[in-house]
Amino acid sequence: GIQVEQSPPDLILQEGANSTLRCNFSDSVNNLQWFHQNPWGQLINLFYIPSGTKQNGRLSATTVATERYSLLYISSSQTTDSGVYFCAVERGGGGATNKLIFGTGTLLAVQP
Amino acid sequence: DAGVTQSPTHLIKTRGQHVTLRCSPISGHKSVSWYQQVLGQGPQFIFQYYEKEERGRGNFPDRFSARQFPNYSSELNVNALLLGDSALYLCASSLGRESYEQYFGPGTRLTVT
Repeated sequence: GIQVEQSPPDLILQEGANSTLRCNFSDSVNNLQWFHQNPWGQLINLFYIPSGTKQNGRLSATTVATERYSLLYISSSQTTDSGVYFCAVERGGGGATNKLIFGTGTLLAVQP
Repeated sequence: DAGVTQSPTHLIKTRGQHVTLRCSPISGHKSVSWYQQVLGQGPQFIFQYYEKEERGRGNFPDRFSARQFPNYSSELNVNALLLGDSALYLCASSLGRESYEQYFGPGTRLTVT
């Protein structure tokens, strides 16, 4: 099956710093989403980005589908950005379902 | 508009018991998927239901079953609970069968003792 790898596994930042999170996937995908999981377990949608570039405030994301990777940029980090960031993909090809395959996540801690 | 809702929020069961978890999708969404997330890992796909039919199943034993109702809400049932079934159970809804953005509910935290 398709493999999804995220890096780095852990990241500690000072408030105000910038960071880049990476997601590599091993096969073509129909869907790629970035999520932020808060301490209570809620998965918050950040981006739906099977290809291209999107920006939302201090966050932006780029997916290069032909090279099978996606990047999540966090600028001017805040303590509220702390948590686990997941990349999840849906396999491409005919007969696909909504099955999302999640990466191992990046645990981000932003210190004041 | 209300997001995906799940009930109950927390649940404690004993080994061997049965549990039913419930999910209501976003209004207008016809697809519901269930995921299990154990501590320290990413969510794992259990089932997808679309238009009241099972469209996908993950690598879970037959003790796990689900169904979708005419109003597109869904239930996940787990029989003969094991300690290893302790996890956060997440429900996701989307507009269609595939390639649509998925939105997750707050989850049900199940503890099996």
